[in-house]
Amino acid sequence: GDSVTQMEGPVTLSEEAFLTINCTYTATGYPSLFWYVQYPGEGLQLLLKATKADDKGSNKGFEATYRKETTSFHLEKGSVQVSDSAVYFCALSDPTGNQFYFGTGTSLTVIP
Amino acid sequence: DVKVTQSSRYLVKRTGEKVFLECVQDMDHENMFWYRQDPGLGLRLIYFSYDVKMKEKGDIPEGYSVSREKKERFSLILESASTNQTSMYLCATKRGGPPNYGYTFGSGTRLTVV
Repeated sequence: GDSVTQMEGPVTLSEEAFLTINCTYTATGYPSLFWYVQYPGEGLQLLLKATKADDKGSNKGFEATYRKETTSFHLEKGSVQVSDSAVYFCALSDPTGNQFYFGTGTSLTVIP
Repeated sequence: DVKVTQSSRYLVKRTGEKVFLECVQDMDHENMFWYRQDPGLGLRLIYFSYDVKMKEKGDIPEGYSVSREKKERFSLILESASTNQTSMYLCATKRGGPPNYGYTFGSGTRLTVV
């Protein structure tokens, strides 16, 4: 079945460092791909999405490119801030749009 | 923006109690979902609903039931709470249609069963 695998954390970076959180997926059809962010004590918020191969989603300085050939959707940011400290979830939506599959989450801590 | 409201942020209940977790959305989204979130396990789907009075089991429905009498409200019921149901519970909604519509989540209810 469909699934998402993302790198395990926790990840600790210094402010202004480059961030990559790896995400790969397994899907039988052509899924849509998402990154969600969860700040401490809150629910998940949609960070960015991509709906077809080679699409790039971007928001708040974060980017991810839908790579069909490598079945990947890695999250990147060129210069992280302390306020980016959160848990990041990669997810895919099956072609019906009725079910999502989430990765286990990657905790990021950015230190000043 | 869609707002998804979960009735309680923190809840403490005793073993054996019947527990109701409420979720209300203020948009006309067809689909509603209940997840639980546990460290190292990510999000696991408990139940979901595509329409009023419709419900489908997710991956871990045992010990839970749901109710959707109105489109905007989706309730999760723990019939007899147990300590292994201590968790963060997240409600989510999604507009029906294409898969590129993302989920909108509530803020979560952290339930502790003692």
